[in-house]
Amino acid sequence: DVKVTQSSRYLVKRTGEKVFLECVQDMDHENMFWYRQDPGLGLRLIYFSYDVKMKEKGDIPEGYSVSREKKERFSLILESASTNQTSMYLCASAARAGGSNEQFFGPGTRLTVL
Amino acid sequence: RKEVEQDPGPFNVPEGATVAFNCTYSNSASQSFFWYRQDCRKEPKLLMSVYSSGNEDGRFTAQLNRASQYISLLIRDSKLSDSATYLCVVPQRSGGYQKVTFGIGTKLQVIP
Repeated sequence: DVKVTQSSRYLVKRTGEKVFLECVQDMDHENMFWYRQDPGLGLRLIYFSYDVKMKEKGDIPEGYSVSREKKERFSLILESASTNQTSMYLCASAARAGGSNEQFFGPGTRLTVL
Repeated sequence: RKEVEQDPGPFNVPEGATVAFNCTYSNSASQSFFWYRQDCRKEPKLLMSVYSSGNEDGRFTAQLNRASQYISLLIRDSKLSDSATYLCVVPQRSGGYQKVTFGIGTKLQVIP
């Protein structure tokens, strides 16, 4: 059974803190994605990675960075958390570029920044 | 025009009803499309792909209208378990790479 796991289901942080969200997949997928999901705005792509150590900006990369040191792990970093980054964060992986292959999602991390 | 547009609903329908959702897109170069289903407080999961010739899977039918740039999802004989949010997904080029854009989703509530 395919699996994408995220390090936390719920996280509460303070403004200005550095936040790490971890995502691990066990399907040997090349491509991994980070999205945030907000009411009325849907899923928006923050960053994606098509290979180890490779990354591409998505639609809303400002305030975020990512790291992909190993194929199975894709980390999202909030260098200095702000209240407008309170959201549901979803990680996904796909065998090839997301346009032609199913994306498998993790359960999500609900982040609250106070 | 937004890249992908969906009516957020909610669509409240009785059990057994037939319901249809549309999703319009602006990038006419898109070749393949998808419908994902997201249950409350859960992650999205692929429901079905949308091919040029349409696609049918049991009670679900997905169709593509390239001329008018929309895709549709038809659900026949609605069940309570069909209650969920249905996300339209359109692949698009981003520089040298292909990514997908999700619609905001259409919420369906099937009522007993």
